[in-house]
Amino acid sequence: AQTVTQSQPEMSVQEAETVTLSCTYDTSESDYYLFWYKQPPSRQMILVIRQEAYKQQNATENRFSVNFQKAAKSFSLKISDSQLGDAAMYFCAYKGVNQGAQKLVFGQGTRLTINP
Amino acid sequence: KAGVTQTPRYLIKTRGQQVTLSCSPISGHRSVSWYQQTPGQGLQFLFEYFSETQRNKGNFPGRFSGRQFSNSRSEMNVSTLELGDSALYLCASSLGPEGGQPQHFGDGTRLSIL
Repeated sequence: AQTVTQSQPEMSVQEAETVTLSCTYDTSESDYYLFWYKQPPSRQMILVIRQEAYKQQNATENRFSVNFQKAAKSFSLKISDSQLGDAAMYFCAYKGVNQGAQKLVFGQGTRLTINP
Repeated sequence: KAGVTQTPRYLIKTRGQQVTLSCSPISGHRSVSWYQQTPGQGLQFLFEYFSETQRNKGNFPGRFSGRQFSNSRSEMNVSTLELGDSALYLCASSLGPEGGQPQHFGDGTRLSIL
């Protein structure tokens, strides 16, 4: 079974600085998708960024970018120019292609605090 | 376009009762998935529906069930409630079941069991 591990329960960063959240996963599949979701106190899970495993190029969405290392099974999220609105729980998630196409496997989450 | 709508937002039940939660997906989305979120277990997959058929089920007891209607709306039911069923239940929708389709989540239903 696939597993996702986020080793940092909490992180903090100064406003306007850069922070990197770590995620590792375990799978025997060769094709899959990886996601970062953000969950603010309002509870709604918001998709931040998506990466297809067959693409070597790291995904980027404005201030958010990933460092995808397939061989190392690592998928970290970098947030540049941190803003107060970035404060939230961040979840790394895995989705396989072959089994249950819409089943997301989540990590335990990292709580990100932005210091003004 | 309206997002994923879950009702009710909060629910309080007692042990032994049953509960039904509702999820209306984004217009045009035909795939619906449910997740349970607790502080101890984190986010766990419950089940996935597409075209009124359950395509995948997580490791939950048979007390947890669901269904999807022809308009893609989905309900999940939990019977004989236990204290451990207290959780945030999240629904997510996507255009279809293909793996690359991103899932969009609702605000969840907070279920408390007394």
